[in-house]
Order: sequence, then C-alpha cells, then structure tokens
Amino acid sequence: DAGVIQSPRHEVTEMGQEVTLRCKPISGHDYLFWYRQTMMRGLELLIYFNNNVPIDDSGMPEDRFSAKMPNASFSTLKIQPSEPRDSAVYFCASTREGARDTIYFGEGSWLTVV
Amino acid sequence: QQQVKQSPQSLIVQKGGISIINCAYENTAFDYFPWYQQFPGKGPALLIAIRPDVSEKKEGRFTISFNKSAKQFSLHIMDSQPGDSATYFCAASKSWAAGNKLTFGGGTRVLVKP
Repeated sequence: DAGVIQSPRHEVTEMGQEVTLRCKPISGHDYLFWYRQTMMRGLELLIYFNNNVPIDDSGMPEDRFSAKMPNASFSTLKIQPSEPRDSAVYFCASTREGARDTIYFGEGSWLTVV
Repeated sequence: QQQVKQSPQSLIVQKGGISIINCAYENTAFDYFPWYQQFPGKGPALLIAIRPDVSEKKEGRFTISFNKSAKQFSLHIMDSQPGDSATYFCAASKSWAAGNKLTFGGGTRVLVKP
C-alpha cells in the first residue's frame, strides 16, 4: 500500500497568496483527517470527513481555511489569503471503519508563509 | 484548552536505559489512549494503545501504564536504543461513535545516546 500521499511536501509562499494542499488517502479508507502541527500548539485536528462528507470542522481556525473532498481518493485544504501565522506542517491522515483505532498519517506538507 | 498534558518536553537517555513519558487527561469520557511515534520529516505513526479496562499493556520494549483514578497514563521504553530517538505523542479520544477525534499531548522529544 502506498500510504497517505500529500503534496506539495514543501511550500514557501508570500503573505496574501492562496495555498492549496492536497491529499490522497489510503485506498479503501472512508475517514480522512486534516491536522496542523506547530511548536506552540502541537498537533491540532482541523477537520475530518467520513465518506467524503465533512463531519466536524470545528478545528478550522477561521474562514480563510476551507477543505473539500470531491471523491474518495482526493482532498484539498485551501488557505486564502495566507498569513505568516499559518506557517506549520499540515498532515493528512486516513482510516477505515473496522480498523478505526489506527489512523495513518501522511508525511506532511511543510508550509512557510513569508 | 489543552485536554492532554504531556511531560517532559524532552529527555535524554543513555542506550540501554529506560525512557518514561507521562500524560494526564481531564476528560473522563476519554476511553482510548494511543501513543504515536514521529521521526523527523515524517508523519506520526501509531506505536501502542490502551483502553481503560486494563492497567498495563506491553508490546516488545514498549509498555503503557494506565491509572484511571488519577487520569494518568505513561509510556515506558525499556532498553532504549538510538533508533528510538524520536518525538512521542500521547493522545486520547472518546468512543468511536464521536468520530475518534484524537486530542494530542504536546509531545516529548527523546534522544537516546549511544
């Protein structure tokens, strides 16, 4: 299995620009999570989907953040406009009903907003 | 509000020694307590997990001890090896019906010196 695949792995962008992070979950997984990791706040759950439907987006910091899952094999996290405080590592993770105790993380997208 | 407090933030141990990481939680509804291991540049990966119906779980050199009344749990790494050098996160969640939203501790960076 290829694991959870995220792109880009690294992104440096200027403040005010739009950033789109992409995720391909493990095939057959019906839960997808977006986490953000920073030194100050640690690992935070931003949003999660079940069967492509957003279930809980209470962790999304503000309206500048949006996430979509148009199909079972693809999700995006968009930041528009980006700000320096958005600099973080963004992880996508997935799991499936029946093995839901084990969440598999991707390698992360390292975002720097200057 | 940080619902899972983890300590220490970092520790250094000699090869062959014991690494001990402690976590305390506040929400008595939590009923699943995993530990994740994260190597630099990688996403977190499930290491070992415990539920409140047992007080201890051991997998190889890794042991979780759980104290329900104190709302604390800990990870012991026996015979620590340089390859164990990583950041360890404790986490907690409510029953899966709520979507298994993991709340992570702040992380402990472990360095095992050869």
